[in-house]
Amino acid sequence: DQQVKQNSPSLSVQEGRISILNCDYTNSMFDYFLWYKKYPAEGPTFLISISSIKDKNEDGRFTVFLNKSAKHLSLHIVPSQPGDSAVYFCAATFTGTASKLTFGTGTRLQVTL
Amino acid sequence: GAGVSQSPSNKVTEKGKDVELRCDPISGHTALYWYRQSLGQGLEFLIYFQGNSAPDKSGLPSDRFSAERTGGSVSTLTIQRTQQEDSAVYLCASSSLTSGGPMADEQFFGPGTRLTVL
Repeated sequence: DQQVKQNSPSLSVQEGRISILNCDYTNSMFDYFLWYKKYPAEGPTFLISISSIKDKNEDGRFTVFLNKSAKHLSLHIVPSQPGDSAVYFCAATFTGTASKLTFGTGTRLQVTL
Repeated sequence: GAGVSQSPSNKVTEKGKDVELRCDPISGHTALYWYRQSLGQGLEFLIYFQGNSAPDKSGLPSDRFSAERTGGSVSTLTIQRTQQEDSAVYLCASSSLTSGGPMADEQFFGPGTRLTVL
């Protein structure tokens, strides 16, 4: 049972435009969500997170939106840059414990010139 | 080093052999996690350590998989009698979060060990 889903395996966006990566989850107990970026042959690196008490968190070019009623979150990158080309993983967990992360299958973002 | 390190970076083994994968977490990080990523899949949780104890082993796929952590630092993931379906990238992560902390903390990942079982 895939509790965190990223239904778009790939996305191509022109440099300077907005990239929107989507993520859906099924477990309503999740209350903390993270996005990780992964380059080939490297481990994932943390990008941005959001607690369920918020509906938006912004860090520079990256903004994460959370819609709890829809169990949906999205990552917006604006403006997109060629260096953003990577695989993006959405992850969810429970606060209050040092809990495991449940990951989606990832979306490969290609930012073209 | 400053980050999480894993060794070996690549391991090719024959079906039925045992393998050991090593993880060196960031110094001072009390929490350590093992995940694996099979081809076309997301990262799948295997086991979590807090200090030397493993309060959550729920992700270990079979009793052929085991892990230990010594001195609150280095961890070893052992796969006995490897099967072809064990082929994956095995990732280790560490965080400074202690049990019962108020907020899930960022997990820092190593580069992974790519295991290929022939």
